[in-house]
Amino acid sequence: RKEVEQDPGPFNVPEGATVAFNCTYSNSASQSFFWYRQDCRKEPKLLMSVYSSGNEDGRFTAQLNRASQYISLLIRDSKLSDSATYLCVVSIDRGSTLGRLYFGRGTQLTVWP
Amino acid sequence: GAGVSQTPSNKVTEKGKYVELRCDPISGHTALYWYRQSLGQGPEFLIYFQGTGAADDSGLPNDRFFAVRPEGSVSTLKIQRTERGDSAVYLCASSLFSGSANTGELFFGEGSRLTVL
Repeated sequence: RKEVEQDPGPFNVPEGATVAFNCTYSNSASQSFFWYRQDCRKEPKLLMSVYSSGNEDGRFTAQLNRASQYISLLIRDSKLSDSATYLCVVSIDRGSTLGRLYFGRGTQLTVWP
Repeated sequence: GAGVSQTPSNKVTEKGKYVELRCDPISGHTALYWYRQSLGQGPEFLIYFQGTGAADDSGLPNDRFFAVRPEGSVSTLKIQRTERGDSAVYLCASSLFSGSANTGELFFGEGSRLTVL
């Protein structure tokens, strides 16, 4: 069983739509959670960390459900520039000794005009 | 720029050959990671260095793979007797550990695309 499972999509949505991605993780000892974004044939870049209480960054909202071992990302008012692959990332480490990160396979999003 | 630099950007080799991939991390970043990514998959962990030492090498698939970071900066990933299944993009990342202020952000290079014929 993979450490992080994601629906690969693709998700195809019009500009202005709201879209949600989910992922699940298998290790209940996981402590740190992130969403990374990867544009086509580019390197992954951190989009946002995910905190236990949920957190928002502009049009992006991340939620964590530790009991269900489930992480979500909500994008409101989608822009063409949001088209990318969104990677769910988990680590059993926390704080100053963040080591190995486990990446999901990514969910592909295409926003059309 | 001041980002993570990887060379070569592309490498085509024949089955059985030896390959070295180089990573130059962001200056001052103490942690360095190697991942590899196949088409349609997320990055797969290989090894992670804290300073000069490999803190976790549990992701190296077998003993054909080896990585070093002798001076705590530049790292080299070495692959012996390459196989077609080694074809992938090899990503290097670095991270700044600053006590409790670690954000968990990895800064990735653009990768080295390895093709084994």
